[in-house]
Amino acid sequence: GEDVEQSLFLSVREGDSSVINCTYTDSSSTYLYWYKQEPGAGLQLLTYIFSNMDMKQDQRLTVLLNKKDKHLSLRIADTQTGDSAIYFCAERSGGYNKLIFGAGTRLAVHP
Amino acid sequence: GAVVSQHPSWVICKSGTSVKIECRSLDFQATTMFWYRQFPKQSLMLMATSNEGSKATYEQGVEKDKFLINHASLTLSTLTVTSAHPEDSSFYICSATEGQGQPQHFGDGTRLSIL
Repeated sequence: GEDVEQSLFLSVREGDSSVINCTYTDSSSTYLYWYKQEPGAGLQLLTYIFSNMDMKQDQRLTVLLNKKDKHLSLRIADTQTGDSAIYFCAERSGGYNKLIFGAGTRLAVHP
Repeated sequence: GAVVSQHPSWVICKSGTSVKIECRSLDFQATTMFWYRQFPKQSLMLMATSNEGSKATYEQGVEKDKFLINHASLTLSTLTVTSAHPEDSSFYICSATEGQGQPQHFGDGTRLSIL
């Protein structure tokens, strides 16, 4: 079945770049998403990439997709304390836009 | 744009009570809405998918008589937890999408605590 895996924790210094990695198994995935969740809140859509793209950049965020290896990454440039949150990778699978989520990566930003 | 409002944000009630949670798309029409459950420090678990005007599709292991879903309009879906018990305590999150190929936009979640 479909599966999405992420590392569980990442700690970076303020001002450095953060790279959060994700692997997925469904080669037929059409869209891959990155969501951010702050404590006690819902999920905020950060960005998404279509499967025929290799890279997408949106301000401080860069998404890289290696379709051959089924590997997705999210790079946050100039990481700030406000970026501390849990980041979920998700792939769209099947009909009705059903999403398969990874376990989430907790990003901690320290001074 | 693409704002999803979920209400209430927190509810505490006694065991045996039924609780209704609302999910509204404020600035777009949602052909499909989704209901998730999230346990502490875990990922989201999809409970059901609902399309406006039709019966919800429940994921395996989710009791449809326990978790009633209504999607009567293109901007509103409700989840009713019937005869709630302490094991139903969790964080419930809804999402909505305008259609195929469009991303899901999430509400802020409802924390349900059953005493």
